[in-house]
Amino acid sequence: DGGITQSPKYLFRKEGQNVTLSCEQNLNHDAMYWYRQDPGQGLRLIYYSQIVNDFQKGDIAEGYSVSREKKESFPLTVTSAQKNPTAFYLCASSIRPGTPLIEQYFGPGTRLTVT
Amino acid sequence: KNQVEQSPQSLIILEGKNCTLQCNYTVSPFSNLRWYKQDTGRGPVSLTIMTFSENTKSNGRYTATLDADTKQSSLHITASQLSDSASYICVVSFTTSGTYKYIFGTGTRLKVLA
Repeated sequence: DGGITQSPKYLFRKEGQNVTLSCEQNLNHDAMYWYRQDPGQGLRLIYYSQIVNDFQKGDIAEGYSVSREKKESFPLTVTSAQKNPTAFYLCASSIRPGTPLIEQYFGPGTRLTVT
Repeated sequence: KNQVEQSPQSLIILEGKNCTLQCNYTVSPFSNLRWYKQDTGRGPVSLTIMTFSENTKSNGRYTATLDADTKQSSLHITASQLSDSASYICVVSFTTSGTYKYIFGTGTRLKVLA
């Protein structure tokens, strides 16, 4: 999993509660990403950050929020506004955003279940 | 619409056999194509990456091919092992407004039986 840690591995929450997923990397990468993976669907981009204190919405940002106060950390908050939060969440990082051959390194993922 | 389609959805083979996974894409302007291996409950790990000018790339028993004219790629696994059981994801990168974006296929789930 290349120096990217996500915690916890499994997370259970009641509907209506906000929950924060942790993502930390020690690869000195500039860019970090959050994806959501659902059965039968490809990974979908939630948010990404190319530099500290800056982040951009991905394709499915509604109901999520992020912060990037430190280079190595990119926590994702799943708010109560997210209608279908139960999913497998993957964090990734890469060097030098915007170049064609950069590789994304993925963390081990957090499986969130909301009941 | 930019799309990446993979086939088959799932595949079961016996240990030691070869197999080929397919990826068709309608992504423009094309930048590169990657194949990832994802073990159950884990994050994807990169196997190969190919640009427009490359038509084959190997990584051990994994060989990826790319036909940019027909917008097709394949991943060939030789002499399969039990540890090859995983999902294989095709990802195509394209440029938009000066930045690179990624379109992920839904993956092929491979099961290798002893």
